[in-house]
Amino acid sequence: DIQMTQSPSSLSASVGDGVTITCRTSQSITKYLNWYQQKPGKAPRLLIYAASNLESGVPSRFSGSGSGTDFTLSISSLQPEDFATYYCQQSYSNPYNFGQGTKVEIK
Amino acid sequence: EVQLVESGGDLVQPGGSLRLSCAASGFTLSDSAMSWVRQVPGKGLQWVSSISVYGGRIKYADSVEGRFTISRDNSQNTVYLQMTSLRSEDTALYYCVRESGGWYGSSFADWGQGAQVTVSS
Repeated sequence: DIQMTQSPSSLSASVGDGVTITCRTSQSITKYLNWYQQKPGKAPRLLIYAASNLESGVPSRFSGSGSGTDFTLSISSLQPEDFATYYCQQSYSNPYNFGQGTKVEIK
Repeated sequence: EVQLVESGGDLVQPGGSLRLSCAASGFTLSDSAMSWVRQVPGKGLQWVSSISVYGGRIKYADSVEGRFTISRDNSQNTVYLQMTSLRSEDTALYYCVRESGGWYGSSFADWGQGAQVTVSS
């Protein structure tokens, strides 16, 4: 199984800040990496697919990069609605594991 | 608008069975692979099972292999998850998910609101 390691597990930031979340996989997955946002009490929402492709309707302040084993999700200028938990997920091989999540909180 | 509505969640005793249903609308079900993903309250996401467009390719997480069965009825726009030999560790919110395929594998593009399954005596 491919292991997913997200960091940090949580972070505090202010509106307007830029933040970066990292996801590392235990083996190379080229670009088979997706990112999701989940708000309390809500289902997850797809943000980024194939490492760097913005899902339709997702604001351009979100971006993804990376390939192989190291990936990042960046938010260029945090907005109030961005405070949530973010998960990476690999689609390279079964089981399609998720990272443990990164909670972005208001400072 | 894509809509996925899960039903069938309940409180069940250990060793019991339950069938979840997912009613799909707003898209052609036979165009999409489908999955189930679960989440223990306050915890992370765990992929459970996936089924290809016509059911010819099915995959399960090791933790549910042999106990859970995914199926679909494209004519009824419904996806199912039959769960047997339920354990306390199966307690979770179960999401029905529409996959979006691409060059670099599938992503979980659309999610239902979830069905709560609680396994307890």
